[in-house]
Amino acid sequence: DTAVSQTPKYLVTQMGNDKSIKCEQNLGHDTMYWYKQDSKKFLKIMFSYNNKELIINETVPNRFSPKSPDKAHLNLHINSLELGDSAVYFCASSQVKSAEQYFGPGTRLTVT
Amino acid sequence: QKEVEQNSGPLSVPEGAIASLNCTYSDRGSQSFFWYRQYSGKSPELIMFIYSNGDKEDGRFTAQLNKASQYVSLLIRDSQPSDSATYLCAVRGTGRRALTFGSGTRLQVQP
Repeated sequence: DTAVSQTPKYLVTQMGNDKSIKCEQNLGHDTMYWYKQDSKKFLKIMFSYNNKELIINETVPNRFSPKSPDKAHLNLHINSLELGDSAVYFCASSQVKSAEQYFGPGTRLTVT
Repeated sequence: QKEVEQNSGPLSVPEGAIASLNCTYSDRGSQSFFWYRQYSGKSPELIMFIYSNGDKEDGRFTAQLNKASQYVSLLIRDSQPSDSATYLCAVRGTGRRALTFGSGTRLQVQP
């Protein structure tokens, strides 16, 4: 069984479009994260939710809006996509009392 | 100064040798330290975590932590070609829930 899953795996779209990425975890964790990994492979936190509550909101353009309908799901909606948004987006999850995070397979976003 | 620093490599070792990967961090109050392995095109995979000073061993992997020197390392014994990957050091800083990652060290194990 997949522990942390993401859809879609690949996303190719044009500048100015709006797109969403979905994440689900079946580990029973209460905290979920979105990370961005750029072309230089640097992995950086974007957002985190604990039990549907936003607890981390790093300096990210407000074109990015996360939503957590329940503690097992975390989605990321991106408006007005720009070339610089091209990256791999990883979802991760953990228990709030534990710092050990487990990553999903990633969504490779390409903006043309 | 970067919060978490790693040598980007590549670090090349022969098969069967010990690979030593190093990481330094700037937040002296950091409590939790992690090593992730990332194969090309794949997601980071947690392979070791360490919270206390000293060594922690798991199979061929040993994590070493020295909080006084703000230094954490990963030793891989009997390196195999399948160990060839990028190794990411991650630190949970003071009062933070998210992890701060280093830029990773690329390890190449030569058959």
